[in-house]
Amino acid sequence: DGGITQSPKYLFRKEGQNVTLSCEQNLNHDAMYWYRQDPGQGLRLIYYSQIVNDFQKGDIAEGYSVSREKKESFPLTVTSAQKNPTAFYLCASSIAWQGVEQYFGPGTRLTVT
Amino acid sequence: GEDVEQSLFLSVREGDSSVINCTYTDSSSTYLYWYKQEPGAGLQLLTYIFSNMDMKQDQRLTVLLNKKDKHLSLRIADTQTGDSAIYFCAETAQSGNTPLVFGKGTRLSVIA
Repeated sequence: DGGITQSPKYLFRKEGQNVTLSCEQNLNHDAMYWYRQDPGQGLRLIYYSQIVNDFQKGDIAEGYSVSREKKESFPLTVTSAQKNPTAFYLCASSIAWQGVEQYFGPGTRLTVT
Repeated sequence: GEDVEQSLFLSVREGDSSVINCTYTDSSSTYLYWYKQEPGAGLQLLTYIFSNMDMKQDQRLTVLLNKKDKHLSLRIADTQTGDSAIYFCAETAQSGNTPLVFGKGTRLSVIA
């Protein structure tokens, strides 16, 4: 089955710790994305990658970092510099980065206390 | 920049039709999408429409596009309790420097 996997489903961390969220796709898609979702805020784009070894900042990149060393993987690190990291994080991918639909993973709910 | 607007809430009775509306600002929008998000889950692509179309029907779903007014709607016929979810409108263009632009989502509540 082709799709996008995110792990874990729920993640708990103490304030001041960095945490990495996993996103893997086997759809052979070139582009991958990370979004943050807060109640009533819709989806906000954190980072996106058009192709392997390339990534761009989205609207709310501060306090986050990414890497794209493999086509199928796009991990997101939430650093201690992110002031309000508790949120629902969604990973998506698309066959190209413009003009096409995106496919989403199931999400990771991160709680930082 | 591009913007997509949706009303935040809609409540309907089971069996009635639901109409979720969306307006967008990007006149170069090429594709417009509707996504569904159930509680605690990712977004699921429901349907899409090309900008050169006025209407698309897919079983209980009807999408209407008024390109002149930049208005998109999603009609769900015979709404069921399983349709309760958040519905996101999104648009993209084949040119430009942005991927999909999403609205904030409309929470549909279906009352039995």
